[in-house]
Amino acid sequence: DTGVSQDPRHKITKRGQNVTFRCDPISEHNRLYWYRQTLGQGPEFLTYFQNEAQLEKSRLLSDRFSAERPKGSFSTLEIQRTEQGDSAMYLCASSLVLLAGGVEPPFGPGTRLTVL
Amino acid sequence: QQPVQSPQAVILREGEDAVINCSSSKALYSVHWYRQKHGEAPVFLMILLKGGEQKGHEKISASFNEKKQQSSLYLTASQLSYSGTYFCGTEIHGGATNKLIFGTGTLLAVQP
Repeated sequence: DTGVSQDPRHKITKRGQNVTFRCDPISEHNRLYWYRQTLGQGPEFLTYFQNEAQLEKSRLLSDRFSAERPKGSFSTLEIQRTEQGDSAMYLCASSLVLLAGGVEPPFGPGTRLTVL
Repeated sequence: QQPVQSPQAVILREGEDAVINCSSSKALYSVHWYRQKHGEAPVFLMILLKGGEQKGHEKISASFNEKKQQSSLYLTASQLSYSGTYFCGTEIHGGATNKLIFGTGTLLAVQP
């Protein structure tokens, strides 16, 4: 399978614990995006990388959230001191920037986080 | 800034047609359409890049009116597999980021 992959698919944690998610983009894609989706809502943009550089962060990304893409390949999203409001599906997408036109960023399967 | 979709929900019988609209308050560079089944990630349907462009995907097609900052998704002769929540994802700022702002969603239920 050459699509975007995410790990783990499900994570249950207790409030106050730290969690880390991983995203492996399509191999030749240089852009990687993180979105969060809560129940009944559309995905909300969190942050994106071009290669290893984090180019934009949403105001939704509080100080407890940090994302990295150290070698321009896979990315991790860490949430420290989780809160119940962090419960959501965390989606990763990747794309290849072309000189002309937009590209569709395919989503990975997502990581569903439940904070008890 | 979030695009507004209409209707919020629609129930169809197999074989019936439906139209889902997506309206933005911002000038759009492109519009992406996704379908999401319960508990799964959104699945890409199509992207529209130019004003007035229309694209088709099986019996699902879409139009993009750049001047009106609107897009519509047309589902013809609906099938049970079309059930799900449809989201438009809009790209602004000249498409420099490929960052998408997703709409409010439309729940589609197709009944036998």
